Amino acid sequence: QVQLVESGGGVVQPGRSLRLSCAASGFTLSTYGMHWVRQAPGKGLEWVAVIWFDGSNKYYADSVKGRFTISRDNSKNTLNLQMNSLRDEDTAVYYCARDLRYSSSFMDVWGQGTTVSVSS
Amino acid sequence: EIVLTQSPATLSLSPGERATLSCRASQSISSSLAWYQQKPGQAPRLLIYDASNRATGIPVRFSGSGSGTDFTLTIGSLEPEDFAVYYCQQRSNWVGSFGQGTKVEI
Repeated sequence: QVQLVESGGGVVQPGRSLRLSCAASGFTLSTYGMHWVRQAPGKGLEWVAVIWFDGSNKYYADSVKGRFTISRDNSKNTLNLQMNSLRDEDTAVYYCARDLRYSSSFMDVWGQGTTVSVSS
Repeated sequence: EIVLTQSPATLSLSPGERATLSCRASQSISSSLAWYQQKPGQAPRLLIYDASNRATGIPVRFSGSGSGTDFTLTIGSLEPEDFAVYYCQQRSNWVGSFGQGTKVEI
């Protein structure tokens, strides 16, 4: 079945880096745009970044621009999020999600999330 | 940056009643809007996309309408499993954003 599984979360100190991964199965990753969305404890959803089906275009929320990098390896059915210069406010559950289309629109398949905690 | 404002923050209803949720965009987004449902401890689920299209497997009691800046999600007759938080999302100029959510509670 169609599935997304995130990994790489953990506890990290402010200013440090962390790399999240998302393994896709049950569908052809290379034909879909992919997103990262996060949710701070007790808060709403925040869109983080999107990458088009072929990696040709990437877009970021202002809150992470210049610090986070989204990438994909279609040959390995994997989506990544490199997070640098982490801040307290980056603490959240991070979800990867599949786009309905090849670019950036809406998200029809979601993983269960991986938790990132930024704390000294 | 496009800001989405959802109202009300909380909607208190009973099973069988009709729920009407609103989402207003700070500028026109045509029909580029989706609605999601999220239950505690779960990932969000896509309900409606392109303002009025039901996603695969979504019951007909869920419907979406609107265009431009004003959008509505209607749940025709609330089932016990519909009590959750609902978010709207836009994707103008390829950049996404969510509203702050509406909690539908008993």
